[in-house]
Amino acid sequence: KNQVEQSPQSLIILEGKNCTLQCNYTVSPFSNLRWYKQDTGRGPVSLTIMTFSENTKSNGRYTATLDADTKQSSLHITASQLSDSASYICVVSRPSWGANNLFFGTGTRLTVIP
Amino acid sequence: NAGVTQTPKFQVLKTGQSMTLQCAQDMNHEYMSWYRQDPGMGLRLIHYSVGAGITDQGEVPNGYNVSRSTTEDFPLRLLSAAPSQTSVYFCASSYSPPTGTSRNEQFFGPGTRLTVL
Repeated sequence: KNQVEQSPQSLIILEGKNCTLQCNYTVSPFSNLRWYKQDTGRGPVSLTIMTFSENTKSNGRYTATLDADTKQSSLHITASQLSDSASYICVVSRPSWGANNLFFGTGTRLTVIP
Repeated sequence: NAGVTQTPKFQVLKTGQSMTLQCAQDMNHEYMSWYRQDPGMGLRLIHYSVGAGITDQGEVPNGYNVSRSTTEDFPLRLLSAAPSQTSVYFCASSYSPPTGTSRNEQFFGPGTRLTVL
């Protein structure tokens, strides 16, 4: 069964600290993996996109890693800020477009406190 | 560019009523999609379009209709609203499919929060 599982479900950290969010998937065949940030009441916004040949992608203080062999990805946030408080969603795709080819995780809810 | 816009932002319906959720994009994207987001679940694809005049069903299409008469607009119609359709609906667009080896972003609208009583 094609699935995307994210952990932890929620996380609270102090401002300025680092954190790492996990994404494990069983989607096959694998094509790309995306991380999105979703602020409360807003639509998801793309952070990183990685294909099977890439194992690291950075976007400012966000760094995503991908291990296609173990089917795991992580999103590392450095020097967290209050504005990082949001849900982070991992999305894994298969090669084709259409129904049952794009799989969304349920997200990790991150809260950054002063 | 306004990106992807959705109206209304909030809507309350009674069971059996019909309505249309509007979605428009100004990026000349061919690929557009509708998703619903429910608590504890990942986004699920309702319907999608690969260009004007071409639409297809996603994973949860029952109770919804779509049409694509122009590149810019992709409305979602609820034919006879049911409480199970209470959800947050997102429209998204992209230059190419968000699958495969594409590195093109999929842009999401701000969402419509729908409650069916």
